[in-house]
Amino acid sequence: IAGITQAPTSQILAAGRRMTLRCTQDMRHNAMYWYRQDLGLGLRLIHYSNTAGTTGKGEVPDGYSVSRANTDDFPLTLASAVPSQTSVYFCASSDGGNTDTQYFGPGTRLTVL
Amino acid sequence: GQNIDQPTEMTATEGAIVQINCTYQTSGFNGLFWYQQHAGEAPTFLSYNVLDGLEEKGRFSSFLSRSKGYSYLLLKELQMKDSASYLCAATDSNYQLIWGAGTKLIIKP
Repeated sequence: IAGITQAPTSQILAAGRRMTLRCTQDMRHNAMYWYRQDLGLGLRLIHYSNTAGTTGKGEVPDGYSVSRANTDDFPLTLASAVPSQTSVYFCASSDGGNTDTQYFGPGTRLTVL
Repeated sequence: GQNIDQPTEMTATEGAIVQINCTYQTSGFNGLFWYQQHAGEAPTFLSYNVLDGLEEKGRFSSFLSRSKGYSYLLLKELQMKDSASYLCAATDSNYQLIWGAGTKLIIKP
């Protein structure tokens, strides 16, 4: 059982380029989340999905979009990357709502130059 | 506003006990999580407190006081592998998690 996988592990990207971070879970969890983690700051929620077919905005959604076509996959897209989007991105999932334990993927380290 | 406060860094000795405090202020609080995060890795779940009191799980215990907006994580018989960041997170009225910046725990032999 893999749990949650993320790809790529790391990426260096030129500003203005489009980038999609992939996230797949095999636990059949209903809810999925995208966070960014920056030094000195807590995890900040970008977007979430409570169930397949629905998405919602988190604390810092600007510049990012998501889709949830099925239960397993929750890709995060940066339409036109900017240097302030340099961060470590974590995908997470939980069985129910936010009061359920969230399980995290290994993260994607993204550098935008 | 909503806020989670925890110390930035703590140092402790192998075999000792350490208490990591967390104070929170959120609207519509439902519960408080503690996660462990080793450097360069993903956060992993440690505990979840909904009711006041202490919950013990092996060497780790977590305490919650809802009236004081306060929690702590207690780590006993510290081992070198406990060197990590410990993240406190509380739910808000939208059932989202508000995360603290984490406490980096350094264990010295």
